[in-house]
Order: sequence, then structure tokens, then C-alpha cells
Amino acid sequence: DAGVIQSPRHEVTEMGQEVTLRCKPISGHDYLFWYRQTMMRGLELLIYFNNNVPIDDSGMPEDRFSAKMPNASFSTLKIQPSEPRDSAVYFCASSARGEQFFGPGTRLTVL
Amino acid sequence: LAKTTQPISMDSYEGQEVNITCSHNNIATNDYITWYQQFPSQGPRFIIQGYKTKVTNEVASLFIPADRKSSTLSLPRVSLSDTAVYYCLVVGLSGYSTLTFGKGTMLLVSP
Repeated sequence: DAGVIQSPRHEVTEMGQEVTLRCKPISGHDYLFWYRQTMMRGLELLIYFNNNVPIDDSGMPEDRFSAKMPNASFSTLKIQPSEPRDSAVYFCASSARGEQFFGPGTRLTVL
Repeated sequence: LAKTTQPISMDSYEGQEVNITCSHNNIATNDYITWYQQFPSQGPRFIIQGYKTKVTNEVASLFIPADRKSSTLSLPRVSLSDTAVYYCLVVGLSGYSTLTFGKGTMLLVSP
């Protein structure tokens, strides 16, 4: 298995633009997580899914952020409109109810 | 919430044993303790997990006292490549809603 796949690896955009981050979990994993990492706040859990259903989105910073998982092999995290304070590394991880496997992350820069 | 507290940073030299202690005073009966390692520009990677007493694998040992209010990750004979951020997490069987990585412990191994 190729592991958790994230795209793009780097994204530079301007304030106000829509940003969509993509994740393909490991096949057979029924949990999917979205994290955000910054120097100030460390690694924060934004939302997680179980069997494609969002279980807890209490970590989503505000309504500008939304996440979907239309099927077991694909998830998106969307920011609309983006702001400079959204600049961070966004990680996707998947799990089969135990150890989490992380993707390489997407480094987002909002100018 | 089983919040964890661990040192912000630690320094060591090659060949030494490193012990990183994590406090989790509010750990629940069904919670277990997990440690992850993160290298720069990569997602965290699972190291070890335990519920009580001692767990050992090819990478590290995890010591958990009887009251389970703390745990110690032990890395034997560290090398330069062990320089990374180490996260202590408490995970509940009921789900991941209380999962938080925080800022972890930055371990710097010098020659």
C-alpha cells in the first residue's frame, strides 16, 4: 500500500481564495482524521470521520472550514474564503481503530 | 479530557539513554497511552502504545506506573537520527474526540 496520499503537497494562494486539500486514506481503514500544525498551537485535530461519517468536528476553527468524505477512499478539506492565519501544514491520517498513519501533509501559505 | 503534559524540549548526546516523561493525571480507566515521533517535514509516526506496566518493542520502551498518571518513553542509546518531536497521547476506547497532540517534546541529539 502507498500509505496515506495527500495533494497538493504545497499550496500558495491569496487571501479570499478557496482552497481544497485532498486525502486518500489507506485502503481498509475506517477512520480518517484531518489535523492542522502550526508553531504556535502544535498539532490540532480538526475533524475525524468513521465509515465516511463525520463524528466530531469540534476542532474546526470556524465556518470557513468544511470537510467531506464522499466515499471510503477520498476526503477533502475546504477553506473558503482563506485567510493568512490559515497558513499551516495540514495532515490527513487514517486508522483501523488503533495506530494512526499520517500522510506527508500539505503546506498551505495564504498571502 | 485526559490532558497530557510533557517537557517542551530535551537535549542528549549520541549513545545515551533518553527518558521522556508525560503526565496524564486525568486518565480514564479505559484509556491507553500512545507515543508518536515526528521528523521535520513529515507526519507523525507511531512508536509505541501501552496500558500498564512495561511495553517494549524494537524502537523503545514504555513504562507506566500502577496509578497510570504518568508514563515514560525510553529510547536506548540514541543516535543523531532520533532528533525529532515526540508526542504523548491518551486515547480512549470510546473514540478520538479527546485526542490532542499538542506541541510535544523536541529532542535534540548532539554528537
